[in-house]
Amino acid sequence: RKEVEQDPGPFNVPEGATVAFNCTYSNSASQSFFWYRQDCRKEPKLLMSVYSSGNEDGRFTAQLNRASQYISLLIRDSKLSDSATYLCVVMGGSGYALNFGKGTSLLVTP
Amino acid sequence: SQTIHQWPATLVQPVGSPLSLECTVEGTSNPNLYWYRQAAGRGLQLLFYSVGIGQISSEVPQNLSASRPQDRQFILSSKKLLLSDSGFYLCAWTRTSYEQYFGPGTRLTVT
Repeated sequence: RKEVEQDPGPFNVPEGATVAFNCTYSNSASQSFFWYRQDCRKEPKLLMSVYSSGNEDGRFTAQLNRASQYISLLIRDSKLSDSATYLCVVMGGSGYALNFGKGTSLLVTP
Repeated sequence: SQTIHQWPATLVQPVGSPLSLECTVEGTSNPNLYWYRQAAGRGLQLLFYSVGIGQISSEVPQNLSASRPQDRQFILSSKKLLLSDSGFYLCAWTRTSYEQYFGPGTRLTVT
């Protein structure tokens, strides 16, 4: 079983739509969780950390379910500029290595 | 503020040639440094990480090596490149949190 699994998509949504991405992880000892955004042929950029209580940053909401080992990202009121690949990232028990999912591709259309 | 630099941005090298990629971080001291590779259609794979000068941990056995000659400098090397070494090489740093920040990357094509 892969450490971090994501639906690769692509998710094609119209502007203004709400879209949700899910991610599961296999290591129950994982301590930290993140969502990164990667544009085509660019480096990943940190979108947000994911806290146990859930957290929101503008149009973005992240949730963590430790019991189910499941992380989600909700994007409201999608913009064209949200088109990118979203990477689910989990810090392993070692405290050093980040385990990356392969990413979910989002395309927001006019 | 902290910035991370990588060079070169792109590189085309023949099989069997050596490789040296450099990463430097500005605006912080004693960062943890990381080398990742992203092959076409695949996720990011951690290659090496370093918690201090001269301290290197390897995650994946292969023909690559890493060195950290200075606090904010991290170098990825190979004596003889393989076709399978092609990919997008990313350096990242972190300081007091687990959030990692990536450099702009080097796109390597081995021909």
